Amino acid sequence: DSGVTQTPKHLITATGQRVTLRCSPRSGDLSVYWYQQSLDQGLQFLIQYYNGEERAKGNILERFSAQQFPDLHSELNLSSLELGDSALYFCASSVSGTGSEAFFGQGTRLTVV
Amino acid sequence: GEDVEQSLFLSVREGDSSVINCTYTDSSSTYLYWYKQEPGAGLQLLTYIFSNMDMKQDQRLTVLLNKKDKHLSLRIADTQTGDSAIYFCAESSGGYNKLIFGAGTRLAVHP
Repeated sequence: DSGVTQTPKHLITATGQRVTLRCSPRSGDLSVYWYQQSLDQGLQFLIQYYNGEERAKGNILERFSAQQFPDLHSELNLSSLELGDSALYFCASSVSGTGSEAFFGQGTRLTVV
Repeated sequence: GEDVEQSLFLSVREGDSSVINCTYTDSSSTYLYWYKQEPGAGLQLLTYIFSNMDMKQDQRLTVLLNKKDKHLSLRIADTQTGDSAIYFCAESSGGYNKLIFGAGTRLAVHP
C-alpha cells in the first residue's frame, strides 16, 4: 500500500459526460501528480500541483482540468468525454515538488462507452 | 526532446538473473526510477538512483547508470515467478519531478 488513495477504482460513463476523479496523497506529501495510462500512449504526465498551486503541465487536454484543495487532496475533472479518453488514471504524490520519489495510487480505470 | 526507451519483452528462467535496459535522452535528469506494475495494479516504486551515482544495490535489485551513454539498467538476481510484471524506467524532467516513462518491459519468468 503506497498510502495514496484514489477513488473511484472503476468508472463507466457515456460519451459527452463529465466525471471527477479524486486523489488523497500520502500524509505529509505536498505534491500531487496526475498521469494517464493508455494502450496507445503509454504513461503520460498530465499535471502537477504543489501545495495548492499548479507547478507543471504536460499533455493535458483542454477538456481536462485539475485542482488541489487546502487539505491537499486533488481532483481531476474530465469533461465532454470521448471514447479515446478510456484509460487508467493514476495519481502520485511526493514530499516536495523536486527531486523526491513519487508514490502512485492504484489508479482509476475509466471506461467511456 | 525527452524520451525514454526500453525493450518491450524479456523472458527468463526462474532462478536466473534478469537485466532490463533503458536509455534516456534528458541529460539534465537528476533522478532515474524503476517502477513495477503487476496486472490490474498500480505502479510500485522499486528503486531510484541519483544521476551522480553509478550503481545502487537494494537486496536482489542492482541499478547501473552510465551517464555518458544515458543508459540505465535494472538487474534482478534470482528471478522468481512473483517478479513477472511490467517494469517501467522513468526519468525526472524539468526539476519538478515530472516523470517521463518508457513503454515498459514485460518480464515473463518461466520454470
